[in-house]
Amino acid sequence: LAKTTQPISMDSYEGQEVNITCSHNNIATNDYITWYQQFPSQGPRFIIQGYKTKVTNEVASLFIPADRKSSTLSLPRVSLSDTAVYYCLVVLSGYSTLTFGKGTMLLVSP
Amino acid sequence: DSGVTQTPKHLITATGQRVTLRCSPRSGDLSVYWYQQSLDQGLQFLIQYYNGEERAKGNILERFSAQQFPDLHSELNLSSLELGDSALYFCASSGGGPQETQYFGPGTRLLVL
Repeated sequence: LAKTTQPISMDSYEGQEVNITCSHNNIATNDYITWYQQFPSQGPRFIIQGYKTKVTNEVASLFIPADRKSSTLSLPRVSLSDTAVYYCLVVLSGYSTLTFGKGTMLLVSP
Repeated sequence: DSGVTQTPKHLITATGQRVTLRCSPRSGDLSVYWYQQSLDQGLQFLIQYYNGEERAKGNILERFSAQQFPDLHSELNLSSLELGDSALYFCASSGGGPQETQYFGPGTRLLVL
């Protein structure tokens, strides 16, 4: 099972770009990288998922280098409402269950 | 709104009691997952059902059980409750395929006194 490591917390200001890096050294060939966001007392919400290179949606971008041992979630121009915990997960090929780590607590200040 | 509903929102009970948490998945989703989130353990996967059958088991205690009914709603039964069972319990649903996005419900907050 690929273990993920990400910073415990990060601070930013409104309007800045935030990059959260996650390492997953033991990722297997067919595993996917998935990011979820969670606000206090709410269920996690899917942000983005990728396998390699770059994936972009209306909320974020996900950068995955060729060796896939790490990935970076990029949030453009964050706002106060982006204050949340962000989880990086490696989703095992052929499986649908999720293993959550401790996540990164992002605090966005005015 | 994820489309996943959970009831009740809050539940307060005493040690030794039994409670049932209910989850209705998004329309069309066949898979239901149950997770427990506590301050010390974080978010932990408990069990998954797919179209009425158990598909995967995580860190679910023997005192806990779940089932998925023909209409695809699911119930999580917690018995012989202990103080340490106090937590947020989330249900999620997906189409059921691998790597499919899971959509989480708002959760049930359980407090065992």
